[in-house]
Amino acid sequence: DAKTTQPNSMESNEEEPVHLPCNHSTISGTDYIHWYRQLPSQGPEYVIHGLTSNVNNRMASLAIAEDRKSSTLILHRATLRDAAVYYCILNRDDKIIFGKGTRLHILP
Amino acid sequence: GAVVSQHPSRVICKSGTSVKIECRSLDFQATTMFWYRQFPKQSLMLMATSNEGSKATYEQGVEKDKFLINHASLTLSTLTVTSAHPEDSSFYICSAPIWDREQETQYFGPGTRLLVL
Repeated sequence: DAKTTQPNSMESNEEEPVHLPCNHSTISGTDYIHWYRQLPSQGPEYVIHGLTSNVNNRMASLAIAEDRKSSTLILHRATLRDAAVYYCILNRDDKIIFGKGTRLHILP
Repeated sequence: GAVVSQHPSRVICKSGTSVKIECRSLDFQATTMFWYRQFPKQSLMLMATSNEGSKATYEQGVEKDKFLINHASLTLSTLTVTSAHPEDSSFYICSAPIWDREQETQYFGPGTRLLVL
């Protein structure tokens, strides 16, 4: 399985931007970068995905390094409801294999 | 957006009994669905891929006779935990994919919390 590396946890203040990093140095040319998040006691939810270009949607932005060996999920203005575990995943063979993710704490 | 439901949301059963968990895609069809298990403070572990009209594909180390999967229609997959034991207590989550910008993105159910006494 293609491996990603994320910090175990991060903290951010409410209403400030959050940058969640992910390293994926063994990414192959056809691997898409997906981000999901899991709020407490819920199933995960899709956040965003991309291949080479930066992507924006209503939830977040995804910045992908030029060599594709790393990416950053950007929450533009964090709220308390964004406290969750964020998973960076390389989608290969259309199976989502979860790593440990980053637990994001939002401070009021 | 797409919705995936699970039933029941939580179940308590006695050791040795079987428990069936349903996963439904409510507004789209899914020829494949995925089943995960999550223990407290751990990440999700993929158990198996449910295939409509054919046998499920199990991940290494997952007992297919213990965790029976049936994908009877394009909107329903069921996971049956047979002869459940306390170590099977976990949070079971299903997902179904939708194509979005040349990729399949997964929509997850809300999960089923199983407690085996």
